Amino acid sequence: GAVVSQHPSRVICKSGTSVKIECRSLDFQATTMFWYRQFPKQSLMLMATSNEGSKATYEQGVEKDKFLINHASLTLSTLTVTSAHPEDSSFYICSAGEADRPSYEQYFGPGTRLTVT
Amino acid sequence: DAKTTQPNSMESNEEEPVHLPCNHSTISGTDYIHWYRQLPSQGPEYVIHGLTSNVNNRMASLAIAEDRKSSTLILHRATLRDAAVYYCILRPPIIQGAQKLVFGQGTRLTINP
Repeated sequence: GAVVSQHPSRVICKSGTSVKIECRSLDFQATTMFWYRQFPKQSLMLMATSNEGSKATYEQGVEKDKFLINHASLTLSTLTVTSAHPEDSSFYICSAGEADRPSYEQYFGPGTRLTVT
Repeated sequence: DAKTTQPNSMESNEEEPVHLPCNHSTISGTDYIHWYRQLPSQGPEYVIHGLTSNVNNRMASLAIAEDRKSSTLILHRATLRDAAVYYCILRPPIIQGAQKLVFGQGTRLTINP
């Protein structure tokens, strides 16, 4: 199946700093990518839908100025957590579907574990 | 989004079949039933999906009730690597590209050696 990568896999940052997480589709083009957040022992929560060449669509309750999403190409979407705080510590996961056909299967990245100290 | 209900946890033994149930009584006529699983500290991975007929692939089988208000994911011979959280998700038909997935709490499957 198709592969989605994330970088970094793990990051520790200090409170107040910003962190950028990359999501890449390695062998296919993705018009749309999704960003999820997962706290320990909980399910995945959709944060936003990232559309190539346009603004992201955020789910209710997700601060768009805090979680900046850029989808500059068909293979790369980035999530920047601005002015991170300890409560932003979580497992961030991206997913993507293929651009050129109806995609019944969504491909997930391995996740990025963010720890804010 | 139509809701699914799954048991919080299940336990089985290695090399035995596992039947993971999912109730979706409010499913619409065009919703597909998707299953994903998430191994520890990893992103979810696609398992199987279906609409009305039972489906088989190399990973699992999906049995769908005739009224489509429930379904069962079947792992024919569980291994330790099948220990994961299994999510049953309803998804409208896709016209083009990708569509968001709404995850419920899923079923945490434990496999005993």
